[in-house]
Amino acid sequence: NAGVTQTPKFRVLKTGQSMTLLCAQDMNHEYMYWYRQDPGMGLRLIHYSVGEGTTAKGEVPDGYNVSRLKKQNFLLGLESAAPSQTSVYFCASSYEAGGPGELFFGEGSRLTVL
Amino acid sequence: EDQVTQSPEALRLQEGESSSLNCSYTVSGLRGLFWYRQDPGKGPEFLFTLYSAGEEKEKERLKATLTKKESFLHITAPKPEDSATYLCAVQAWGTSYDKVIFGPGTSLSVIP
Repeated sequence: NAGVTQTPKFRVLKTGQSMTLLCAQDMNHEYMYWYRQDPGMGLRLIHYSVGEGTTAKGEVPDGYNVSRLKKQNFLLGLESAAPSQTSVYFCASSYEAGGPGELFFGEGSRLTVL
Repeated sequence: EDQVTQSPEALRLQEGESSSLNCSYTVSGLRGLFWYRQDPGKGPEFLFTLYSAGEEKEKERLKATLTKKESFLHITAPKPEDSATYLCAVQAWGTSYDKVIFGPGTSLSVIP
């Protein structure tokens, strides 16, 4: 059982370039999330989705877009990368939104913007 | 404002030396408090959920407890494989599900 899979695991971009991070889950979870993790700041929610075709903004959405065309996939896009977006990005999914908060995380995607 | 802090930032223990990690929180009404373990280069892995003051949960050498203002993760006779960053998170009643607030974590090193 793969759980939550993120691709790519590493990426280096130049300022102004665009890219998409892909998250796939095989647990039939309704809810999916994108977080970023920076040293000393904890995980911060970028965007989330409560089901196929839905998306919503989290705590730090600026500079990012997302799409959930299929229930199992959640894409995070950067249209014009900035050095401030250098971070480790985690996708997560959960069975019940607003429930016990048990999130299943992927292994992360490390992005460096030069 | 809802907030989660963790202390210490880093902790170094000898194998077998028991200790506790602290998570202090400020929320309008606690729905749940969660502990996760994160290994280097990996995503967080769920450990426990605590719902009300006085509740305790155990898993192997770990025991999590909860009061109205803080939670402790007690580690009894730790082993090197317990080395990881431990994250605390809280969710408040009356908020949408996106309001799971994570603390910055405590990095634990257990020396053989």
